[in-house]
Amino acid sequence: LAKTTQPISMDSYEGQEVNITCSHNNIATNDYITWYQQFPSQGPRFIIQGYKTKVTNEVASLFIPADRKSSTLSLPRVSLSDTAVYYCLVGDGRDDKIIFGKGTRLHILP
Amino acid sequence: KAGVTQTPRYLIKTRGQQVTLSCSPISGHRSVSWYQQTPGQGLQFLFEYFSETQRNKGNFPGRFSGRQFSNSRSEMNVSTLELGDSALYLCASSLGLADAGTQYFGPGTRLLVL
Repeated sequence: LAKTTQPISMDSYEGQEVNITCSHNNIATNDYITWYQQFPSQGPRFIIQGYKTKVTNEVASLFIPADRKSSTLSLPRVSLSDTAVYYCLVGDGRDDKIIFGKGTRLHILP
Repeated sequence: KAGVTQTPRYLIKTRGQQVTLSCSPISGHRSVSWYQQTPGQGLQFLFEYFSETQRNKGNFPGRFSGRQFSNSRSEMNVSTLELGDSALYLCASSLGLADAGTQYFGPGTRLLVL
């Protein structure tokens, strides 16, 4: 199972672009990379998923380099409501357990 | 389409008691996973059920058990409750296997053990 490493916390200001990087050095060939967002006292919410290169949706972009040993979640023009914990998860459906890790606590300042 | 629902939302129990939590997945989803979340340990995987079979299990004692019914609804049981079992218990459903696709989480059941 590929272990992930993320920064524990990050601060940014409203209107800025925020990039959160996740390291997954032991990612397997069939693993996908998925990011979730969690607000206090709520369940995590799916943000984006990718396998390689770049994926973009209405919420975020996900950049994955060719070696796939890391991935970067990019949040454009953040607002105060983006203050949350962000989790990176890798897997291919064959792992024996699911590890979310501690996530990155993002704090957006006015 | 209705989201993942969990009942009850809040629960207070005393040490030694047992508790059963319920999760109704999104219609058509076959996988249900359970997680425990505490401030100290974060989001920890308990187990996943797929088509009524436990597919995998996290590092929790045997006091934690679960099952899934033919309609994909799932229950989680914790016996002989301990103070450390106080946590937010989250259920997530997915169309296929949990770690390969998108999981949709419910609002959680907040359990307080006194």
